[in-house]
Amino acid sequence: NAGVTQTPKFQVLKTGQSMTLQCAQDMNHNSMYWYRQDPGMGLRLIYYSASEGTTDKGEVPNGYNVSRLNKREFSLRLESAAPSQTSVYFCASSLRQGRNTEAFFGQGTRLTVV
Amino acid sequence: AQSVTQPDIHITVSEGASLELRCNYSYGATPYLFWYVQSPGQGLQLLLKYFSGDTLVQGIKGFEAEFKRSQSSFNLRKPSVHWSDAAEYFCAVEPPNFGNEKLTFGTGTRLTIIP
Repeated sequence: NAGVTQTPKFQVLKTGQSMTLQCAQDMNHNSMYWYRQDPGMGLRLIYYSASEGTTDKGEVPNGYNVSRLNKREFSLRLESAAPSQTSVYFCASSLRQGRNTEAFFGQGTRLTVV
Repeated sequence: AQSVTQPDIHITVSEGASLELRCNYSYGATPYLFWYVQSPGQGLQLLLKYFSGDTLVQGIKGFEAEFKRSQSSFNLRKPSVHWSDAAEYFCAVEPPNFGNEKLTFGTGTRLTIIP
């Protein structure tokens, strides 16, 4: 049982380059999330997807796009990377069942933009 | 919109001492409340959660948290810390309504354990 899998684990980009961070979950969860983690700022929500085909902006969506093509996968795209996007990115998924819910996180992608 | 405040950026305690990490939230109704732990270089792991009912909840690794509606707080406690508890701890809230399960995190509290 893999849980939430993110690829790649590490990436260095030059300013202006584009890339897509991939995330897949095998727990049949409805909700998926992309967060960025910066020192002293906790985890900030970039985008949220409540179900396949739906996405919603979070706290810091500028400079990012997402795609939820199916229930398993939720990708995050940087069209033109900037140094301010240097961060650790986490994907998560969750399933609300009645009053019970829990989010599961991937291991993170450490992105450096130079 | 909901928000979470963790007023302590960094806490240092001696091994074997008790621990309390503070968390305050802002939301119109009672949200779902969580504590997560992150070890260096790792993802986040759920320690415990509160939805309703008994205001004292037990979690993994000997942690507990108490929900106080009047103070909008959800503080994490442990009677006796171990060196392996050194990590960063995040409080989080989620609206209780379906279809809007945006999980919002506080800025975290880094816990250092001294021998």
